[in-house]
Amino acid sequence: KAGVTQTPRYLIKTRGQQVTLSCSPISGHRSVSWYQQTPGQGLQFLFEYFSETQRNKGNFPGRFSGRQFSNSRSEMNVSTLELGDSALYLCASSLATSDDTDTQYFGPGTRLTVL
Amino acid sequence: KQEVTQIPAALSVPEGENLVLNCSFTDSAIYNLQWFRQDPGKGLTSLLLIQSSQREQTSGRLNASLDKSSGRSTLYIAASQPGDSATYLCAVIGGSQGNLIFGKGTKLSVKP
Repeated sequence: KAGVTQTPRYLIKTRGQQVTLSCSPISGHRSVSWYQQTPGQGLQFLFEYFSETQRNKGNFPGRFSGRQFSNSRSEMNVSTLELGDSALYLCASSLATSDDTDTQYFGPGTRLTVL
Repeated sequence: KQEVTQIPAALSVPEGENLVLNCSFTDSAIYNLQWFRQDPGKGLTSLLLIQSSQREQTSGRLNASLDKSSGRSTLYIAASQPGDSATYLCAVIGGSQGNLIFGKGTKLSVKP
């Protein structure tokens, strides 16, 4: 079974631009979560989507948004990029079985550099 | 607010040594706890998941324990190998619809 895939793997943008990252979950997984990883803050939760609805949201500004499609694929958008948005963006998927054995599986990440 | 701490931040050991990585969390009301491994510039690989009702989980040379009442978990790695070199991350989740809250990780280096 294919793992979580993320595209693109690397991105270089300039301040003020916007960017869209894509995540394809493991087949059959209904939940997709996004995390930002930086050397200073570590891994921080952005948001989670389940059945095309945002179910949970972290403490990030409104410039960060996302959506999920009917096939569970998800996109994340960052508008008006700032230097501090440079990070590894990780996507994770899970079956969302609502029991405590539900494991999150992570993709390889998208490395975003803002110049 | 749940906070997860991992000590030490970095650890270097000779090959073959047994070692313990520590993780502590401030709110004992967790749903489960996961240990992940991250290689440089890569995504996370799930190693072990411990349900809130469990005390430990084992996979090969890895053993993770959980003590909810004291807010602590340990990851024991037996007979370490250079291929074990990576950053190990501990994360807790507060409910069935909660998100993972991560520690900053322990960077492990196993010297041949």
